[in-house]
Amino acid sequence: NAGVMQNPRHLVRRRGQEARLRCSPMKGHSHVYWYRQLPEEGLKFMVYLQKENIIDESGMPKERFSAEFPKEGPSILRIQQVVRGDSAAYFCASSPELAGLYEQYFGPGTRLTVT
Amino acid sequence: KNEVEQSPQNLTAQEGEFITINCSYSVGISALHWLQQHPGGGIVSLFMLSSGKKKHGRLIATINIQEKHSSLHITASHPRDSAVYICAVQGGSEKLVFGKGMKLTVNP
Repeated sequence: NAGVMQNPRHLVRRRGQEARLRCSPMKGHSHVYWYRQLPEEGLKFMVYLQKENIIDESGMPKERFSAEFPKEGPSILRIQQVVRGDSAAYFCASSPELAGLYEQYFGPGTRLTVT
Repeated sequence: KNEVEQSPQNLTAQEGEFITINCSYSVGISALHWLQQHPGGGIVSLFMLSSGKKKHGRLIATINIQEKHSSLHITASHPRDSAVYICAVQGGSEKLVFGKGMKLTVNP
């Protein structure tokens, strides 16, 4: 059973470009979470999605950031017009379909560098 | 004040030592998670607790709901235990709120 997959693992973008980060949850998991880890800082929640629904986006910056989890395919975190402050590691995690308390399984992360 | 506080922030130990990492939180929670982040950056879930104590190999995690405190113990520490250990709490929603982590270095 493959774990949570994220790609790309490393992404370099110039200021003003768009960044698309992909997350494929573990098989059987339909809850996806995105977290951001800024350099020398702790992890911060960004958004929680279920298939075709955004459940909680309270951690998402109001502008330039969006997330989706379509019926088919991976979850996408999209950052438009990137700025240097967006440079960070972005982790996705998934948990099983049933509601309740479950461990979250983390992907390897995408390290975004904005030049 | 952060909702989740970890202590110490850094710890250096000798191989074989017993290690304790502490986590205090200030909000009501439904579960507490201990995570391990390796130098390469990957994050592994170690434990999820809502009460009592759990053990896995050389790792033991305990939680005291009344005192809003959890500890992660590592017995017979080894250099491969060197990592950042992160405490995270889960409240009424599904999202995790993280501590800043504790960097552990175990020397041979």
